[in-house]
Amino acid sequence: GDSVTQMEGPVTLSEEAFLTINCTYTATGYPSLFWYVQYPGEGLQLLLKATKADDKGSNKGFEATYRKETTSFHLEKGSVQVSDSAVYFCALRGYGQNFVFGPGTRLSVLP
Amino acid sequence: GAGVSQSPSNKVTEKGKDVELRCDPISGHTALYWYRQSLGQGLEFLIYFQGNSAPDKSGLPSDRFSAERTGESVSTLTIQRTQQEDSAVYLCASSRRDGPQETQYFGPGTRLLVL
Repeated sequence: GDSVTQMEGPVTLSEEAFLTINCTYTATGYPSLFWYVQYPGEGLQLLLKATKADDKGSNKGFEATYRKETTSFHLEKGSVQVSDSAVYFCALRGYGQNFVFGPGTRLSVLP
Repeated sequence: GAGVSQSPSNKVTEKGKDVELRCDPISGHTALYWYRQSLGQGLEFLIYFQGNSAPDKSGLPSDRFSAERTGESVSTLTIQRTQQEDSAVYLCASSRRDGPQETQYFGPGTRLLVL
């Protein structure tokens, strides 16, 4: 079945550092790909998405590019802030299928 | 409403008691999902409703878990004879089932603690 693999956390960075959170997937066909973020004490929020190969999703300085050749959707941000501290979930949805979420990666940004 | 709402926000219960969790989806969203998030873990799919179709119950961990939804409105998740391992945050999400553009919108969750 479909699956999502994320890099193990926690990830700890200093403010203004470059962030990469790796995400790879296994799915049949051409799934849509998502990054969700969960800030402390809050529910999950959609951060960005991409629905076809080579699409780039972006929001709040975060970017991720749908790479079908490597089945990846890595999340990047050029300069993280303390307010970016949260848990990040990579997810996919295959056509006609339910959503599949990765285990989440906790990010802590230190001032 | 403006977003997905869930109630109660917190629930403490004794082992063996039944609990009922409620989810109000965004108006017009035909799809509704329930997930469970245990401490420090990812999301575990429980059940999915789409319109008037039969629900996908493939994620329910045992027959103590059940859920209902009337049409495209409120859903309730019921856990009978609760166990300590049921302690988790129960998340509800809704969406328009509109193909590749489908995006789930999550509620704030119900934090369940079974003593």
